Amino acid sequence: DQQVKQNSPSLSVQEGRISILNCDYTNSMFDYFLWYKKYPAEGPTFLISISSIKDKNEDGRFTVFLNKSAKHLSLHIVPSQPGDSAVYFCAASAENSGTYKYIFGTGTRLKVLA
Amino acid sequence: DAGVIQSPRHEVTEMGQEVTLRCKPISGHNSLFWYRQTMMRGLELLIYFNNNVPIDDSGMPEDRFSAKMPNASFSTLKIQPSEPRDSAVYFCASSLDRQETQYFGPGTRLLVL
Repeated sequence: DQQVKQNSPSLSVQEGRISILNCDYTNSMFDYFLWYKKYPAEGPTFLISISSIKDKNEDGRFTVFLNKSAKHLSLHIVPSQPGDSAVYFCAASAENSGTYKYIFGTGTRLKVLA
Repeated sequence: DAGVIQSPRHEVTEMGQEVTLRCKPISGHNSLFWYRQTMMRGLELLIYFNNNVPIDDSGMPEDRFSAKMPNASFSTLKIQPSEPRDSAVYFCASSLDRQETQYFGPGTRLLVL
């Protein structure tokens, strides 16, 4: 049973436009959410995170939005660049419950077209 | 500063053989995580250690899998005997503490024939 779901396995976006990657979760105990980016033949690298006490966190071109009532988060990349082409994983953890393990989604492959 | 180091980067073995994957976490990090990545299930946590002690091994698929962390700078994940369905990319990650950001190694791509 997937507690973290990324329903779009792939996404193509034109350079300069906005990329929106979506993630849904089922466990209401999750209180910390992260996005990781993965290039081929490399390990995932941390991109941005958000705590459940916030509904938005921004870092440069990357913004994560959290909708707790819908159990949904999204990653916006504006403007998209060819170097952003990678697989993006969202992850969630229930830190206030004392468990710190991340539950990852299956990933979305983003291709930014030049 | 070196990141998380994993070896080997690629492993091809035959069904029934023992496989040992190795990980050196970032110096000073006290939490270590083993993950498996497959197309169907994405990144799954297998086990994690805090201060060299296994905290949660609920993700270990079966008794054929075992993991050890004999000291703060080394961990192994062993599969014995290996099966074709174990073919995947295995990642090791470490963090400064359990609640801190995890840093991943480059992974070991395992193929069991």
